Amino acid sequence: EPEVTQTPSHQVTQMGQEVILRCVPISNHLYFYWYRQILGQKVEFLVSFYNNEISEKSEIFDDQFSVERPDGSNFTLKIRSTKLEDSAMYFCASRAGTGSSYNEQFFGPGTRLTVL
Amino acid sequence: AQSVTQLGSHVSVSEGALVLLRCNYSSSVPPYLFWYVQYPNQGLQLLLKYTTGATLVKGINGFEAEFKKSETSFHLTKPSAHMSDAAEYFCAVTRSWTGANNLFFGTGTRLTVIP
Repeated sequence: EPEVTQTPSHQVTQMGQEVILRCVPISNHLYFYWYRQILGQKVEFLVSFYNNEISEKSEIFDDQFSVERPDGSNFTLKIRSTKLEDSAMYFCASRAGTGSSYNEQFFGPGTRLTVL
Repeated sequence: AQSVTQLGSHVSVSEGALVLLRCNYSSSVPPYLFWYVQYPNQGLQLLLKYTTGATLVKGINGFEAEFKKSETSFHLTKPSAHMSDAAEYFCAVTRSWTGANNLFFGTGTRLTVIP
């Protein structure tokens, strides 16, 4: 069964460093998302991506964040200068946009980011 | 604006007992509602969803939920809990099918099943 994959599973970085979180969405899906979950808090939407551009972003997704789909398969989230408060579990999701499960978002296992 | 409230961050039930996880939503437009389950060290897996049509929806693993517009609720139930149901459960809402339709999640309910 197709699935969303994310690497790495755990990333530890120093404050101020850049990190890139990687995701491989399900092939043929058209919509891509990043969410995050700070420990003990709710899952929060960060950004959605469609047709090679950002379609929506939350107030969390400031200038320190960027997304890219560099090669038609990977979907990356970059944090330019990490802060302590960026420590969280980051989930990638993708959605077909067509077909019987067009409205279902499929989630990856997450990347736990720890900023020291 | 869309939001979800899950009552009870922790719920414990005995094996074989009824599972009831509560979710109330707020939405300025007709909502689409979802329940996701998260097992330890895994991603979010869709249990069931309500979009249109029948208000009682059945999902995987014997779970079901009923959309009640008058109560703005979408509670998740299972008649008989199994040990394998122990997990974190998230209710989520999305607003419409124009655009990217990002999900708004509740804070989650951790279900413990007591043998």
